[in-house]
Amino acid sequence: KQEVTQIPAALSVPEGENLVLNCSFTDSAIYNLQWFRQDPGKGLTSLLLIQSSQREQTSGRLNASLDKSSGRSTLYIAASQPGDSATYLCAVSNDYKLSFGAGTTVTVRA
Amino acid sequence: NAGVTQTPKFQVLKTGQSMTLQCAQDMNHEYMSWYRQDPGMGLRLIHYSVGAGITDQGEVPNGYNVSRSTTEDFPLRLLSAAPSQTSVYFCASKIRTGGRETQYFGPGTRLLVL
Repeated sequence: KQEVTQIPAALSVPEGENLVLNCSFTDSAIYNLQWFRQDPGKGLTSLLLIQSSQREQTSGRLNASLDKSSGRSTLYIAASQPGDSATYLCAVSNDYKLSFGAGTTVTVRA
Repeated sequence: NAGVTQTPKFQVLKTGQSMTLQCAQDMNHEYMSWYRQDPGMGLRLIHYSVGAGITDQGEVPNGYNVSRSTTEDFPLRLLSAAPSQTSVYFCASKIRTGGRETQYFGPGTRLLVL
């Protein structure tokens, strides 16, 4: 059974600092890995999707890396802003299902 | 495209009542699924469908039924609601083309069972 772990569970940083969010998974036979953002009381917004054959994906200030062999992914958010405050979820796809981590709740202090 | 839509947005039930959570997508996706999200936990798969007429169980299927009579709709039925089913429910659809996969989520239904 795929287990996905996100560390830390919560993170508070001053505005402008770079954010590093970690995700680990136990079964390396994944189809892809996806990072989502979730605002309180809202649905999921897809941020980045890394196919299993890729090592990283970038979108603006966001960069996500994938190391399948070690079962790890890292989401980097450069120059954080208060608007980046949210919960970030990592999910891995094993064909028919997504397995989610519990998320990292980020607070960016102005 | 409206994407993935869910109704209702919020529902309160009494223990033992039944109800159906609606999910629809207009993107002609074959694959659809239902997840529940509980505090401190990641989303967990309840049921999924790989096409009209085909459904299967996920991680936490007990107490829930699904059917898929059309490509567009994938309703989730609670047969006899229990307080343990208090949760936020997300419906999702997925498309896989050219080796790439994109998942779309609905806005969620908040369910409170008293």
